[in-house]
Amino acid sequence: QVQLVQSGAEVKKPGSSVKVSCKASGGTFSSYTISWVRQAPGQGLEWVGRIIPILGIANYAQKFQGRVTITADKSTSTAYMELSSLRSEDTAVYYCARAGSTDFDYWGQGTLVSVSS
Amino acid sequence: QAVVTQEPSLTVSPGGTVTLTCGSSTGAVTSGHYPYWFQQKPGQAPRTLIYDTSNKHSWPPARFSGSLLGGKAALTLSGAQPEDEAEYYCLLSYSGVWVFGGGTKLTVL
Repeated sequence: QVQLVQSGAEVKKPGSSVKVSCKASGGTFSSYTISWVRQAPGQGLEWVGRIIPILGIANYAQKFQGRVTITADKSTSTAYMELSSLRSEDTAVYYCARAGSTDFDYWGQGTLVSVSS
Repeated sequence: QAVVTQEPSLTVSPGGTVTLTCGSSTGAVTSGHYPYWFQQKPGQAPRTLIYDTSNKHSWPPARFSGSLLGGKAALTLSGAQPEDEAEYYCLLSYSGVWVFGGGTKLTVL
């Protein structure tokens, strides 16, 4: 059974960066797309971007272009999402989701990133 | 970036039928947008209900179905149950860039 375990909650200052990890177990890591989705408190879902680990190719929502980097380490079956120049509006729960029979079959538990001075 | 629109809220009676829709600012939603529908309950991660317009994931009961309707993607719930009360999100692909709708809060009352 595929499981995605994300890193713990983070508290960051405005202008800093955060790197969230998503470790996969079960199944083949490299062959399946991993997406990152965020949800601000009381708000809707927002797609951030995705990576195809076997190719190392990522694409991002226009809103985050230049500020987000998604990477994958095939040796540890871990995907990462790094967001820079943080502002208060980036406060959200960040989810990773892995493809299976659909592009969003398996979800991590979510990581709360809080940005506050 | 395209904007994906959903009804902010809908109410359905237990046993009733309701259709949620998902529109695109770029024009008609087609199968080429690979419409997804997700269900999310408070404090939980989203779960995929429907993918590629009308394909149902392994877990949703038969009362959920997806389609294209009047230039929009649609999620129809026939025979609503109290446990279907949740937030529902659609997701569309624009040449590999995904965009979520704002979500529909469905109340079963």
